[in-house]
Amino acid sequence: NAGVTQTPKFQVLKTGQSMTLQCAQDMNHNSMYWYRQDPGMGLRLIYYSASEGTTDKGEVPNGYNVSRLNKREFSLRLESAAPSQTSVYFCASSESRRGTGELFFGEGSRLTVL
Amino acid sequence: GENVEQHPSTLSVQEGDSAVIKCTYSDSASNYFPWYKQELGKRPQLIIDIRSNVGEKKDQRIAVTLNKTAKHFSLHITETQPEDSAVYFCASSDSTGANNLFFGTGTRLTVIP
Repeated sequence: NAGVTQTPKFQVLKTGQSMTLQCAQDMNHNSMYWYRQDPGMGLRLIYYSASEGTTDKGEVPNGYNVSRLNKREFSLRLESAAPSQTSVYFCASSESRRGTGELFFGEGSRLTVL
Repeated sequence: GENVEQHPSTLSVQEGDSAVIKCTYSDSASNYFPWYKQELGKRPQLIIDIRSNVGEKKDQRIAVTLNKTAKHFSLHITETQPEDSAVYFCASSDSTGANNLFFGTGTRLTVIP
């Protein structure tokens, strides 16, 4: 099992450009998440999906959109990137639908917006 | 939303000594408290968790204690080893029913050989 796979690992964008981060899990988990990690701020939830076809906002959703394409895949889109979105992004999945189970993280995607 | 505070932000210990990291939370209805370890350049990984109906949980050199009255929980690492050097994050669950964890800001632990 590959676990949680996210792409790309690194990306540099110019302000105003768009991009999509892809995430897939092969553990048949119900819930999937997108977090961003900034120095000194821990992990902050952007969006989550408790099941296929549903998505909900987390703490910091502004400037992002998500799609739960099927049970395996959950993508994060930046429509018009801003320097404030420079961060490391982690996708995660969990068997739990209530935020009370282990999160399995991908390797992270480092995004720089110039 | 939930507010999770974590202290200290950095911690250095000699190999073989113990390390303690503390977190406080604001939502008295939170019922799940995991700890994640993140090595440099790697993904966070769960090392131990505790639920609100338990006061203490141990796994070899790692233990977590929970004080619901005071709304704080702590990670204890005994007989520290260089491979324990990492950033540790505490978290608490969202009691509103949302599928979310609120993370602390992290503690960078350095174990000096």
